[in-house]
Amino acid sequence: AQKVTQTQTSISVVEKTTVTMDCVYETRDSSYFLFWYKQTASGEIVFLIRQDSYKKENATVGHYSLNFQKPKSSIGLIITATQIEDSAVYFCAMREGGSWQLIFGSGTQLTVMP
Amino acid sequence: ETAVFQTPNYHVTQVGNEVSFNCKQTLGHDTMYWYKQDSKKLLKIMFSYNNKQLIVNETVPRRFSPQSSDKAHLNLRIKSVEPEDSAVYLCASSRTSNSDYTFGSGTRLLVI
Repeated sequence: AQKVTQTQTSISVVEKTTVTMDCVYETRDSSYFLFWYKQTASGEIVFLIRQDSYKKENATVGHYSLNFQKPKSSIGLIITATQIEDSAVYFCAMREGGSWQLIFGSGTQLTVMP
Repeated sequence: ETAVFQTPNYHVTQVGNEVSFNCKQTLGHDTMYWYKQDSKKLLKIMFSYNNKQLIVNETVPRRFSPQSSDKAHLNLRIKSVEPEDSAVYLCASSRTSNSDYTFGSGTRLLVI
C-alpha cells in the first residue's frame, strides 16, 4: 500500500534564506508520480511541482526545486530565496501508476519571518 | 475564468440532517474528486469520478454519496450527518489521472 510521510510538523526560517522540506514515500510500484502542493492560510490548495519516477533529473519550477533520491524513497522540496508569502502548509503527495488515489502526507507548516 | 468552483463556502447543520455540496469545474478536465480535510489538516480522498466511472474509497461511510450530471459537475451528498463529518470538503479535478490537481476553495461543514 502506498504511504507518504512528512515528519517535519513545522519549520520557521528568515526570509531570503533557503529551506528544505522532507518527504518519504512507500510504494511497491515501479511507476509513480510525486507532487508538492501548498495550502495558504485562506485554505486554497495550489499545485507547485511534480516529479515522475522515471525521470532522473530533479524538477525545478521558479524558486521551487526537488531533491529526488529514489533509492531512499525521498522527495524533498527546496525553496530558495524564501518570501513572507511562502508561509503556508506544504503537502507532499504520491500516486502510483496503477492507482486511482493521490495520497497526501500530513503536511509541514512553513513560517517565513522578516 | 477557468477553475473549480464549490458552493456553499460554509454550512452549519444539525445531526441527522441531509446536506448537499456542489462542485463545478470549467477546466475541461476529465476526472473529478472529493477530499475530506479534518481539523488536523489531513487530506483523505473520498471519491473519484471519470467518464461515468465512480470509484469509492472503501473507508468512506455509506451516508456519503457523489452525484454527477456530466464530467464538469460532481456534487457530494451526505445523508444523516454525524458530528465526525465536521470538516472541510475539497473538490478537485485533473486533466488525466496522472496530471496535477486543481482544487476548489472548499466547503466547511459544521455539524452541531
